[in-house]
Amino acid sequence: QVQLQESGPGLMKPSETLSLTCTVSGDSIRTSYWSWVRQPPGKGLEWIGFIIYSGGTSYNPSLKSRLTMSIDTSKNQFSLKLSSVTAADTAVYYCVRQWTFWGQGALVTVSS
Amino acid sequence: EIVLTQSPGTLSLSPGERATLSCRAGQSVGSSSLAWYQQKPGQAPRLLIYGASSRATGVPDRFSGSGSGTDFTLAISRLEPEDFAVYYCQQYGSSPYTFGQGTKLEIK
Repeated sequence: QVQLQESGPGLMKPSETLSLTCTVSGDSIRTSYWSWVRQPPGKGLEWIGFIIYSGGTSYNPSLKSRLTMSIDTSKNQFSLKLSSVTAADTAVYYCVRQWTFWGQGALVTVSS
Repeated sequence: EIVLTQSPGTLSLSPGERATLSCRAGQSVGSSSLAWYQQKPGQAPRLLIYGASSRATGVPDRFSGSGSGTDFTLAISRLEPEDFAVYYCQQYGSSPYTFGQGTKLEIK
């Protein structure tokens, strides 16, 4: 069974850089494309972007200027970095395998 | 960017009834790349339907998807207590991939 687990800071201050990592088990990270989706508290879903094992990426234009995704095939992990965070970036961040398998989500709160 | 509009915002029904949820796209969704998800409080979304009409593994056959182009529908034939949740549509045919705002299915 494919499992994904997000890990991240929990609480951050404005202007800092958010770093999240998704660890994949039960599947090779070389087999698919891997997305990030976020959900502000009480609101809907927003696609952030995806990465494939070769390192190719596609980003949401609304976040592209602040966003970097990377992949580590040796650790079966992929990561997200979002710079200059504000309160508007407060959300549950999900990592996703090709829409079928989702992590449990990591709540990131941006507050001074 | 393809904007998805779901209706109604809230649907109040009783167990055993049929539910029909709508998702309308601002422009045609390529290759019927339209998915439906169910989300319960505190949980990640669960994929129900992909390719507009294909059920994901393990999804009961009371869930069905239909539509093409700009108009899509999720139907639940006989509501079970566990079906009351929020439902989202998503298009993944054109970047940026986008989600509808959700339909809350609540017990009447």
